[in-house]
Amino acid sequence: NAGVTQTPKFRVLKTGQSMTLLCAQDMNHEYMYWYRQDPGMGLRLIHYSVGEGTTAKGEVPDGYNVSRLKKQNFLLGLESAAPSQTSVYFCASSYVALGQPQHFGDGTRLSIL
Amino acid sequence: GQQLNQSPQSMFIQEGEDVSMNCTSSSIFNTWLWYKQEPGEGPVLLIALYKAGELTSNGRLTAQFGITRKDSFLNISASIPSDVGIYFCAGDTSGTYKYIFGTGTRLKVLA
Repeated sequence: NAGVTQTPKFRVLKTGQSMTLLCAQDMNHEYMYWYRQDPGMGLRLIHYSVGEGTTAKGEVPDGYNVSRLKKQNFLLGLESAAPSQTSVYFCASSYVALGQPQHFGDGTRLSIL
Repeated sequence: GQQLNQSPQSMFIQEGEDVSMNCTSSSIFNTWLWYKQEPGEGPVLLIALYKAGELTSNGRLTAQFGITRKDSFLNISASIPSDVGIYFCAGDTSGTYKYIFGTGTRLKVLA
């Protein structure tokens, strides 16, 4: 039972490059989320999805795009990476029920030079 | 936007001591969650609280949903070295399944 799996675990990009982070969950969860974690700022929601084919903006969506083509996968894209996007990115998923907690992956550490 | 104030920011304690941390909000929350994060890993759920006044334990950990619904507390009894990590609170204000996270309490236990 893998839970929430994120790939890659580490990546270094140059400014202006693009890349996609993949999140996969095997718990049949409807909801999926992308967060970024920066020192002293906790977790901030980038985008989220309430089901296959749907996405919505979170607290800090600028510079990111997402897609949820399959229920088990949630992709986070950076079209033109900027140094301000250097961060640790976490994916999470949850059932659709009030108050159901989120289950997190182990994160992707992204550095933009 | 909404914010969660989590305190203290960091704690250095001796092994065997009890630990208390809390989160406060300007908004009423429907759900409070407490997570622990260890280096290089994602947050792991410790305790979930769903009703005002609720007191829930998980081993040596006890958390409470404040009566005002604007705060929550986490206590760790008889701390051990493996309690080291960052503890986060999170709350859901409107049943939208979008949780707001506190900035974390970094706990270090001295043997």
